[in-house]
Amino acid sequence: GESVGLHLPTLSVQEGDNSIINCAYSNSASDYFIWYKQESGKGPQFIIDIRSNMDKRQGQRVTVLLNKTVKHLSLQIAATQPGDSAVYFCAESTPSGYSTLTFGKGTMLLVSP
Amino acid sequence: DAGVIQSPRHEVTEMGQEVTLRCKPISGHDYLFWYRQTMMRGLELLIYFNNNVPIDDSGMPEDRFSAKMPNASFSTLKIQPSEPRDSAVYFCASSLSQNEQFFGPGTRLTVL
Repeated sequence: GESVGLHLPTLSVQEGDNSIINCAYSNSASDYFIWYKQESGKGPQFIIDIRSNMDKRQGQRVTVLLNKTVKHLSLQIAATQPGDSAVYFCAESTPSGYSTLTFGKGTMLLVSP
Repeated sequence: DAGVIQSPRHEVTEMGQEVTLRCKPISGHDYLFWYRQTMMRGLELLIYFNNNVPIDDSGMPEDRFSAKMPNASFSTLKIQPSEPRDSAVYFCASSLSQNEQFFGPGTRLTVL
């Protein structure tokens, strides 16, 4: 029979609120981090990246924060919109293999109008 | 550019059958990646190529899985024989050098 799937952590927000999605990474040698957005039925889509020589990087309505001390990454989305509803993944890579990304399990963001 | 193209989008087959998934990377990209996504295990890298040469296939689950890249514009992932536990969404991605990876729409494989 089918195995039970792992439920994704879910963040539910109202349209217009700011959203914060968190990610803990495991490899202290990782020095490059990416956030991806995956909408239902589609492949992951690049949102923003950050290297370990930075602790903050801003894009359009999104900000990524990196805390290397506690190996924590966060994605902040300002003025969240219904179109932001998706699963968000963080990914990490190390200097020895920038081509190889290790993805987190993902967080589902649900935005209510 | 049309982006990364994958076919078929959906595949339903019976256990024991051979399955071939296809990918056309973005023109000019020199890296190609095959991933598998399941609810239980998330997104896993199976294998990646650089300039058509397989670089790391440590993620390939077992000998039933094989991947080829005969030229810069085409790659296949083959499962023979397929098993129900191979049911998943398979993504192909490509990148230019070691930069942002662009993902295709995926192939949803169901093995009965």
